[in-house]
Amino acid sequence: DAGVIQSPRHEVTEMGQEVTLRCKPISGHNSLFWYRQTMMRGLELLIYFNNNVPIDDSGMPEDRFSAKMPNASFSTLKIQPSEPRDSAVYFCASSDPGWSSYNEQFFGPGTRLTVL
Amino acid sequence: LAKTTQPISMDSYEGQEVNITCSHNNIATNDYITWYQQFPSQGPRFIIQGYKTKVTNEVASLFIPADRKSSTLSLPRVSLSDTAVYYCLRGANNLFFGTGTRLTVIP
Repeated sequence: DAGVIQSPRHEVTEMGQEVTLRCKPISGHNSLFWYRQTMMRGLELLIYFNNNVPIDDSGMPEDRFSAKMPNASFSTLKIQPSEPRDSAVYFCASSDPGWSSYNEQFFGPGTRLTVL
Repeated sequence: LAKTTQPISMDSYEGQEVNITCSHNNIATNDYITWYQQFPSQGPRFIIQGYKTKVTNEVASLFIPADRKSSTLSLPRVSLSDTAVYYCLRGANNLFFGTGTRLTVIP
């Protein structure tokens, strides 16, 4: 398995533009997580899905952020309009509690977003 | 969210054993304790998980006392490649990573 796949790996955009980050979870995993990492705040959970349904989006900063999971193999995180303070590394992770009691999350390589 | 408390940073010489302690005073009965490792420019990677007493795998040991209000990750004979950030999480879903402990291994 190729692991969790994220695209793009790097994104540079200007303030006000729409940004879409993409994630393909590990096949068979039924939970998907979006995180944001900055030096100041560390690794923060934005939203997570279980069986394609959003379970907890309390970490989504504001209405500019939205996430979808139209099927079990794809999810997007959209920022519209983007702002410089959104600059961060965004990670996607997936897990499958059914495999073991560990509920281990498998992380993708991340997308480094820079908003100018 | 389920928060834990751990040191911000630690330094260790190569070859020594490193113990990183995590405090989780409000741990719930069903909570597991999980540790992740993160290298620069990579996502976190699962190291070890436990519920009580001691768990050992090929890379680390996890010690959890009877009251389960704290836990200690033990890395035997660290090498330079163990320089990373280590996160302690508690809970069934392991959702709160925080800022972790930055371990620097010195030659």
